[in-house]
Amino acid sequence: QGQLVQSGAEVKKPGASVRVSCKASGYSFSSYGITWVRQAPGQGLEWMGWIISYNGDTKYAQKFQGRVTMTTDTSTRTAYMELRSLRSDDTAVYFCARVVGRNDDAFDIWGQGTMVAVSS
Amino acid sequence: QSALTQPASVSGSPGQSITISCTGTSSDVGGYNYVSWYQQHPGKAPKLMIYDVSNRPSGVSNRFSGSKSGNTASLTISGLQAEDEADYYCSSYTRSTTLIVFGTGTKVAVL
Repeated sequence: QGQLVQSGAEVKKPGASVRVSCKASGYSFSSYGITWVRQAPGQGLEWMGWIISYNGDTKYAQKFQGRVTMTTDTSTRTAYMELRSLRSDDTAVYFCARVVGRNDDAFDIWGQGTMVAVSS
Repeated sequence: QSALTQPASVSGSPGQSITISCTGTSSDVGGYNYVSWYQQHPGKAPKLMIYDVSNRPSGVSNRFSGSKSGNTASLTISGLQAEDEADYYCSSYTRSTTLIVFGTGTKVAVL
């Protein structure tokens, strides 16, 4: 069936960095990619990028290029998302999800979300 | 890359059918059969309901169906139930450097 469990809520100051983890269980971690999606309070979903678990290849949304790094550790079945130079408008719930679909275009297993608050 | 356009809200009575539209361009919805739909209850993670335009993941009720015509994709919920009250988001693969774009979201109310 599969499950993704994310790390806990974070509070950061503007300019800082945050790293969110996403631990997979119940499926072959290396056989699927992991994507990251965020949702600002009261707002819609925003795709940030994805990583191919077995080789670490990444694709980031243009908006986050240069500020985000996604990695995986296959030995611990864990994916990580680091966002740098945080601003107040980065305050959001960050979700990881497993990538499926004919073109790696759908996300079928989601983590519970990690709230990241950016405030001075 | 702009978000796909969805109606802000759609409502229906129990047992009725409703349809949510998702309008994009030929660079996303119209150009590929890679449209997905997600259901999100308040405070919860999204749930995949439809992928690749019209495919249902295992475990998703057959009351949910997807289709596409031109630059507009649609999600139909038949036999509306109270538990269907949630936010719904479409997404599409896109030709732009941002590979996946989400819709603006639709709040479904069961009257």
